Amino acid sequence: GAVVSQHPSWVICKSGTSVKIECRSLDFQATTMFWYRQFPKQSLMLMATSNEGSKATYEQGVEKDKFLINHASLTLSTLTVTSAHPEDSSFYICSAGAISYNEQFFGPGTRLTVL
Amino acid sequence: AQSVTQPDIHITVSEGASLELRCNYSYGATPYLFWYVQSPGQGLQLLLKYFSGDTLVQGIKGFEAEFKRSQSSFNLRKPSVHWSDAAEYFCAVGSSGGGADGLTFGKGTHLIIQP
Repeated sequence: GAVVSQHPSWVICKSGTSVKIECRSLDFQATTMFWYRQFPKQSLMLMATSNEGSKATYEQGVEKDKFLINHASLTLSTLTVTSAHPEDSSFYICSAGAISYNEQFFGPGTRLTVL
Repeated sequence: AQSVTQPDIHITVSEGASLELRCNYSYGATPYLFWYVQSPGQGLQLLLKYFSGDTLVQGIKGFEAEFKRSQSSFNLRKPSVHWSDAAEYFCAVGSSGGGADGLTFGKGTHLIIQP
């Protein structure tokens, strides 16, 4: 399967700061990238879907001004958690998809801890 | 709205024994169904998927799943588990193959293998 990387794999930040997480498709061009959030012992919840060069589509209840998503190229999407607070602490997982593949490929996730 | 239910939070199985993980879905149209496995430090790996056709689907690592429309179920099975199968398993449903649309996940089943 195709490879998706995330950076960083974990990050600790102070409350009020912003954190950027990168998601890269290493060996294919992803027309669509997805961002999920996973709480401990919980399911993955889709946060937003982004297509290259377009504004992201956010799921209901996800604050688009807090979770900024940029999908500037077919291999890179970024999620910026702005003015992070302890309740934003979570495991963030990206995935990349292309219609031709008929599936999406998941990154290893980023553990965010906000102090 | 689509949803996925995995009724078993934890399952303990002896090594070499058979395994069945349950998944029920709610979806208004023909569902695209997936089973993923999540191991610590690794991204979600696709075990198998069902789109149409034969309702018994073969996947990687010796797993199979059966789609039963009348029961809205897509249970995962393996005839003989190995210690390396210990992981978190997620069932998911989508409106397409997954390359262009986000997925709705169940809460997962944690599989424990007893020696």
